[in-house]
Amino acid sequence: AQSVSQHNHHVILSEAASLELGCNYSYGGTVNLFWYVQYPGQHLQLLLKYFSGDPLVKGIKGFEAEFIKSKFSFNLRKPSVQWSDTAEYFCAVITNNAGNMLTFGGGTRLMVKP
Amino acid sequence: EPEVTQTPSHQVTQMGQEVILRCVPISNHLYFYWYRQILGQKVEFLVSFYNNEISEKSEIFDDQFSVERPDGSNFTLKIRSTKLEDSAMYFCASSERVFTDTQYFGPGTRLTVL
Repeated sequence: AQSVSQHNHHVILSEAASLELGCNYSYGGTVNLFWYVQYPGQHLQLLLKYFSGDPLVKGIKGFEAEFIKSKFSFNLRKPSVQWSDTAEYFCAVITNNAGNMLTFGGGTRLMVKP
Repeated sequence: EPEVTQTPSHQVTQMGQEVILRCVPISNHLYFYWYRQILGQKVEFLVSFYNNEISEKSEIFDDQFSVERPDGSNFTLKIRSTKLEDSAMYFCASSERVFTDTQYFGPGTRLTVL
């Protein structure tokens, strides 16, 4: 069965610092990849997704992620974080052998200090 | 922008009682899902539903669980006899299509079993 690992459980940054959150998945076939964000008190929202094509995908609020197939990775990046980026970030994958089941990583709690 | 809604936001119940969690998916979506997140753990897939049938379910989704689309708008998750370990946040999601589509999540229902 597929799995998703997010190695950073808690990240604390100062405003304007650069962000990179790691995400690795274990599955050798075709995947669709997602990053979701959950702001305090709010529901899971889609940040960005990769289905095919350019492996560098851009999402909302200045976030981007790069799909590196050889490394089974889909790391999330932002060049300069803001206090409003404080949230929990979830990487998730759907594989072509699991129909419509999203498999989530454990999440990374990001705190941005003003 | 259309959203998935869920009611109630918080449900407290006694062990052994039945609970029904309600969801209103986005109106033109055809695929519906339930996930849960036990405190401190990953978001886990429970079940997916399409064309009035379960299309996939996880090992968690045992005989105590059932789903239904009682009318054209609601999608419900029933737990027949709640256990302490059912305490979790339950998320409903919907999508237009499988695999190649984004799942949109509701705000969740926090279920507390005493």
